[in-house]
Formats: sequence, C-alpha cells, structure tokens
Amino acid sequence: DGGITQSPKYLFRKEGQNVTLSCEQNLNHDAMYWYRQDPGQGLRLIYYSQIVNDFQKGDIAEGYSVSREKKESFPLTVTSAQKNPTAFYLCASSTGPATNEKLLFGSGTQLSVL
Amino acid sequence: QQQVKQSPQSLIVQKGGISIINCAYENTAFDYFPWYQQFPGKGPALLIAIRPDVSEKKEGRFTISFNKSAKQFSLHIMDSQPGDSATYFCAAYFSGTYKYIFGTGTRLKVLA
Repeated sequence: DGGITQSPKYLFRKEGQNVTLSCEQNLNHDAMYWYRQDPGQGLRLIYYSQIVNDFQKGDIAEGYSVSREKKESFPLTVTSAQKNPTAFYLCASSTGPATNEKLLFGSGTQLSVL
Repeated sequence: QQQVKQSPQSLIVQKGGISIINCAYENTAFDYFPWYQQFPGKGPALLIAIRPDVSEKKEGRFTISFNKSAKQFSLHIMDSQPGDSATYFCAAYFSGTYKYIFGTGTRLKVLA
C-alpha cells in the first residue's frame, strides 16, 4: 500500500542536541512538506520541497533544516537553535500544484524535550 | 490576508445531531478548500474538499457549504456519531502554488 511513513513516533531531545525526524513516501509524489502542530493551533509550515535537491523555507523555518536527496525521502533536523521544539511534527506529500492535488499526511512524530 | 479563521474552537453535540464548523478567508485567490479530520496521535486525513465554482458538496454524512460572496465555507456533519469525535481543520489553497493555509482547528465531541 502506498503511503507516508514517519519515524520515530516519539522522540526525546536533550539540551543542545540535534535530532532528525524521518519521512519516507512511496506515492511517487514530487512535493513534500513538514508541518509543526502545537495544541490549539493550526498547522504551521516549516519547509517544503517541490523536487529533489530543492527546498524552500516555510513560515517557521528558524532552528530547522532539511534535505531532499531522494524523491521519496525528506528528513527534518531539529537543531539546538530551536529553543521550543516540543510539538507534533507532520510530514506530508502531494503530486504538485495541479488543480486537483491532495495533500496527504503521515502519522506524525511527537518530539519532547528532556 | 492569508489567514483562515475557524470557529468554534470546540463543539459538543449529542449523538444524532448536526455538527457545524465554520471557516472564513480573505484572499480571493484561494481556489481549493479541503477539510481534514484528525484523531489524537494521528496525522490529519482528507475528509472532503470543494472548489468555489460550486456552492455545496456532499459525501455521505459530510457536507461543505460554500459562500463565495461572503468568503465563508462550512462543514456540516449530519447524524453525528461518537466515532466522529476528532479535531477538524479547514484549509485554503492556491492552485499553482505549494502553500496550504490551515485554520486553527475545532475539537468535536459527540456524546453517546
């Protein structure tokens, strides 16, 4: 079955540590996204990528980094510069900016600070 | 101008009742309006979506009503069931871009 796989489901970060969240999709989608979800807030865009080896900052990119070396993979690194990293992180993908594209989400990673 | 305002923040409905969630937008360039359903600890799942050239779309118990002149759209859940208890997000999208704008979510609880 095609889908988006995020791992791990739960992740703990120590002070000053960088952590990487994994996102893999087998839908052959061109576009991939990372969103951050905080309680009572909507989904905020961190980064997105339209094609391999290209990505753009979203609304809250500070303290985060990404790479897109393969079409199916879009890992997110939460760096030590992100002072408030506790949140639910969602990866998503879509076919692209066509008129009927659908944004599909993974099951999320809950990141907490120790 | 890129905000999508969603209300109410939370909603409690009796089983069998109608749940109504409202969203409003300002930018008329948006041309695709999806609704997502999210259960605790899970990612959002696409529920139903509409384009502004129609005023209503129905899929089973879920209906989107769209008012282009008022720049508002709403989700109606008919015959609400306890299994519908979840958080619902509206969104707006510009075709030809990669940017979705999400509402802040509505936590729905359907009482048995």
